[in-house]
Amino acid sequence: DSGVTQTPKHLITATGQRVTLRCSPRSGDLSVYWYQQSLDQGLQFLIHYYNGEERAKGNILERFSAQQFPDLHSELNLSSLELGDSALYFCASSPSLLELSDTQYFGPGTRLTVL
Amino acid sequence: AQSVTQLGSHVSVSEGALVLLRCNYSSSVPPYLFWYVQYPNQGLQLLLKYTSAATLVKGINGFEAEFKKSETSFHLTKPSAHMSDAAEYFCAVSGSSNTGKLIFGQGTTLQVKP
Repeated sequence: DSGVTQTPKHLITATGQRVTLRCSPRSGDLSVYWYQQSLDQGLQFLIHYYNGEERAKGNILERFSAQQFPDLHSELNLSSLELGDSALYFCASSPSLLELSDTQYFGPGTRLTVL
Repeated sequence: AQSVTQLGSHVSVSEGALVLLRCNYSSSVPPYLFWYVQYPNQGLQLLLKYTSAATLVKGINGFEAEFKKSETSFHLTKPSAHMSDAAEYFCAVSGSSNTGKLIFGQGTTLQVKP
C-alpha cells in the first residue's frame, strides 16, 4: 500500500459526459502528479500540482482540468469524453517540489471506460 | 528534452535465469533514473532509483541497476528470476528544472517460464 488513494476504482460512462477522478496523496506530501496510461500512448504525464498551485503541464487535453485543494487532495476533471479517453489514470505524490530525486508514490489508478 | 527507450517490449526467461531489462535515456541535464514495476491491476511500485550517490543501485526483490553515463544506460538486472517477478517494468527519468515529472519508457513485460 503506497498510501495514495484514488477513487473511484472503475468508471464507465458514455461519450460526451464529464467525470471527476479523485486522489488523496500520502500524508505530508505536497506534490501531486497525474498520469494517463493507455495501450497506444503508454504512461504519459498530464499535470503537476504543488501545494495548491499548478507547476507543470504535459500532454493534457484542453477538455481536461485539475485542481489541488487546501487539504491537498486533487481532482482531475475530464469533460466531453471521447472513446479515446478510455485509459488508466494514475495519481502519484511526493514530498516536495523540486527534489527531483524524490520517489513518486503511485495510487492504484482509476480505470475509465468510455462507451 | 528528456526521453527513455526500453529495448524489448517483451522479455521471456526461465525461472532461475538471469533477468536483464534494458533502458537507455537521453537527458541534457544530470538525470535521476527510476525503475518501477506494475503487477496486473495494480499501481506502480518503485524498485530502485539512481540519484548520483552510487552508480550501482540495489533495489527491492533482488533487483539492481547500473548507471553508465558513457552508454547513457540504466539496465535492470536480477541474477535469478522467480515466478513472482512476472510483471511490467518501466524505466523513467526526471530532471526537468521546474517539475519532478517522470518521463516513462514504453515498458517491458517480463514473462517467467517454469
